[in-house]
Amino acid sequence: QLQLQESGPGLVKASETLSLTCTVSGGSISTSGYYWGWIRQPPGKGLEWIGNIHNNGRSTYYNPSLKSRVTISVDTSKNQFSLKLSSVTAADTAVYYCARRIESTSHRDHWGQGTLVTVSS
Amino acid sequence: QSALTQPASVSGSPGQSITISCTGTSSDVGGYNYVSWYQQHPGKAPELMIYDVSNRPSGVSNRFSGSKSGNTASLTISGLQAEDEADYYCSSYTSSSTWVFGGGTKLTVL
Repeated sequence: QLQLQESGPGLVKASETLSLTCTVSGGSISTSGYYWGWIRQPPGKGLEWIGNIHNNGRSTYYNPSLKSRVTISVDTSKNQFSLKLSSVTAADTAVYYCARRIESTSHRDHWGQGTLVTVSS
Repeated sequence: QSALTQPASVSGSPGQSITISCTGTSSDVGGYNYVSWYQQHPGKAPELMIYDVSNRPSGVSNRFSGSKSGNTASLTISGLQAEDEADYYCSSYTSSSTWVFGGGTKLTVL
């Protein structure tokens, strides 16, 4: 049974970089045919797609509104992928989810439980 | 990219059917059959209910169905049950090779 688990600091200071890791268990992150991505949800608000990376570790796609501040990468040796969001503000306070999507479909079949990141001033 | 448009709320009585709409443009909903729907209960992660417009993942009740016409996708829930009360989000692939979500719809079972 594939499982995804987010981890990282729950509190980040404004202007600093938010760093989260998603650890994949029960399967290999290198298995072909998948995208690994991040989605966030500010408290009381809707879902926002942040970006994703192909299992080849080379193809990345980002939300245009966040593109200048976002980096998603894969570490196959640890079976993890990560999110870095720079120059954070209070508007970046949200629950951050990692998820897997089957390539060439909209089938986002596995999600982490989510982790709340609060940006403090 | 702009969020897809969903009604803020819908409601229905147990046993009834409801439909939630999701309106985009020809650059997202209308241009691709990559529309999905998620159910989210309070404090929980979203759960996939429909993918690729009308496909149900294994384990999802056949009371949930999806369709699309032009730039608008729809999620229909038949035989409403109390456990269906939740927030629902649509999502679509876009011509920029990105993904966009709808603003979400709160379903109340009366």
